[in-house]
Amino acid sequence: AQKVTQAQTEISVVEKEDVTLDCVYETRDTTYYLFWYKQPPSGELVFLIRRNSFDEQNEISGRYSWNFQKSTSSFNFTITASQVVDSAVYFCALSEVLGGATNKLIFGTGTLLAVQP
Amino acid sequence: GAGVSQSPRYKVAKRGQDVALRCDPISGHVSLFWYQQALGQGPEFLTYFQNEAQLDKSGLPSDRFFAERPEGSVSTLKIQRTQQEDSAVYLCASSLEDQPQHFGDGTRLSIL
Repeated sequence: AQKVTQAQTEISVVEKEDVTLDCVYETRDTTYYLFWYKQPPSGELVFLIRRNSFDEQNEISGRYSWNFQKSTSSFNFTITASQVVDSAVYFCALSEVLGGATNKLIFGTGTLLAVQP
Repeated sequence: GAGVSQSPRYKVAKRGQDVALRCDPISGHVSLFWYQQALGQGPEFLTYFQNEAQLDKSGLPSDRFFAERPEGSVSTLKIQRTQQEDSAVYLCASSLEDQPQHFGDGTRLSIL
């Protein structure tokens, strides 16, 4: 069965601190996608990144970076120099790949990040 | 607009009433998904359409839940004889066939 675990329920940091959100996943599939979504108080899920299981290269996008390690089944997300606008719930998700197309997303329970000014 | 549009934004219903939630996906997106998000939890899959075909409805919690997408565009999620445990945010997402899903703002359903 597929499962995503986000052990950190809530994290509070002060602005400009770096913060890492942990994500551990379980799957029997050899081909899958991993995702991070951001959910601000408005409720909309905002897509941040998708990684293919065959691509373990770390990725950086501005203040965001992602560390994918198949050996530990982890896909961690780091925000550098956090800002108040980063405050939101962050979800990690897993999707199997069927016929080249993504399927339903399996979400973790989310991590609430509060950035204090 | 360019994003996924859901209506109504909020819905309050009495237990036992039927409700209908609408999703207008991004134009051209063949895939459409419905998810249910309980308070403090991650979204959980309900059902999936590819164009007008409902290919997966394994997540629908009971036969009171029904979804349709008759013309392969707008979709409606209907809940009959609502119960208090149906209270949640219902999220709709759409995507091109091999692209990430884009979500709407959701409909917050409260059953009294």
